[in-house]
Amino acid sequence: KNEVEQSPQNLTAQEGEFITINCSYSVGISALHWLQQHPGGGIVSLFMLSSGKKKHGRLIATINIQEKHSSLHITASHPRDSAVYICAVRTGKLVFGQGTRLTINP
Amino acid sequence: AAGVIQSPRHLIKEKRETATLKCYPIPRHDTVYWYQQGPGQDPQFLISFYEKMQSDKGSIPDRFSAQQFSDYHSELNMSSLELGDSALYFCASSYWTGPDPGYEQYFGPGTRLTVT
Repeated sequence: KNEVEQSPQNLTAQEGEFITINCSYSVGISALHWLQQHPGGGIVSLFMLSSGKKKHGRLIATINIQEKHSSLHITASHPRDSAVYICAVRTGKLVFGQGTRLTINP
Repeated sequence: AAGVIQSPRHLIKEKRETATLKCYPIPRHDTVYWYQQGPGQDPQFLISFYEKMQSDKGSIPDRFSAQQFSDYHSELNMSSLELGDSALYFCASSYWTGPDPGYEQYFGPGTRLTVT
């Protein structure tokens, strides 16, 4: 079993829909990262959080340390949000989830 | 704002050749991390350096070595290249910003290595 599990693995939605991507982990962590990777592209750090909730534009990330669970939400989704979203937990080093491939259709 | 710089961005090598990838961290960042992402795979941690000393080691093959220099840039040296080494190699840098949550890793654009 992977230390970091994301769901769903693939998600297709229509423009404007509210998107939720989930991340569960099984190890003790000092922080959790949400990352975005476009096809063939580099990785962009969206959020780093160790408790509570953070918001940046249309993106919201929450974490529940007791339940070892985090969610990434995208409001009013847009085709340019199409990318792979990766949850990574810090246990000294970063351990990555398998990513969620999000496709937003116009 | 300055970002993490990696060079080269693309590299094509033949089997058994050597390759050197370079990473230039954000100014004042003292920690560098290397990750390998194979086709369709999650990034995997290879190795990290803090203040020019190896700080952590992941799944880095013995054929690979890395170091961090006095100007904090880092180089990943890869020898006896194999077809399976074809991947996207990311470098990230960080700087301690306090206890909560400590530091954030900023990723470079990656070097795409193709071994033929």
